Amino acid sequence: GDSVTQMEGPVTLSEEAFLTINCTYTATGYPSLFWYVQYPGEGLQLLLKATKADDKGSNKGFEATYRKETTSFHLEKGSVQVSDSAVYFCALSAGSASKIIFGSGTRLSIRP
Amino acid sequence: NAGVTQTPKFQVLKTGQSMTLQCAQDMNHEYMSWYRQDPGMGLRLIHYSVGAGITDQGEVPNGYNVSRSTTEDFPLRLLSAAPSQTSVYFCASSYSPALADEQFFGPGTRLTVL
Repeated sequence: GDSVTQMEGPVTLSEEAFLTINCTYTATGYPSLFWYVQYPGEGLQLLLKATKADDKGSNKGFEATYRKETTSFHLEKGSVQVSDSAVYFCALSAGSASKIIFGSGTRLSIRP
Repeated sequence: NAGVTQTPKFQVLKTGQSMTLQCAQDMNHEYMSWYRQDPGMGLRLIHYSVGAGITDQGEVPNGYNVSRSTTEDFPLRLLSAAPSQTSVYFCASSYSPALADEQFFGPGTRLTVL
């Protein structure tokens, strides 16, 4: 069945460091791919998405490119800030919203 | 717009008790869903609804009931609480069940079953 695998955390970085959070997926057909972010004590918020191969989603300095050949959707940011500390979820949707599958989440902590 | 609201924020139950988690949205979204979030397991879909009067089961429906009498409200009922239902519960909505629609999440309800 469809699945999402993302790197285990926690990930701890210093402010202004480069960030990569890996995400790979298994799906039949052509899924849409998402990154959601969960700040402490809050629900998930959509960070970015991509709906077809080679699409690049971007928001708030974060980017991810839909790579069909490697079935990946890695999240990157060139210079992280303390305010980026949160849990990041990779997800895919294949068929309908009822079939959204989330990864297990990666906790990111940024040191000042 | 208030977006997606959930009540209560915290709840402690004893084994065997029943309760209803409330969820409401004011965005006129057709699609609503309930997830549970457990450590290391991401979010798992409990039940969902594609419109008023229509509900269906997700990945982990056992022990939970839902109904959708209006577009705005989608309550989740625990029939007889068990310790395995200790979790954080999130309600979400989207404009449609389409593939790429953004899901809007409520702030969550943290439930502990003793």
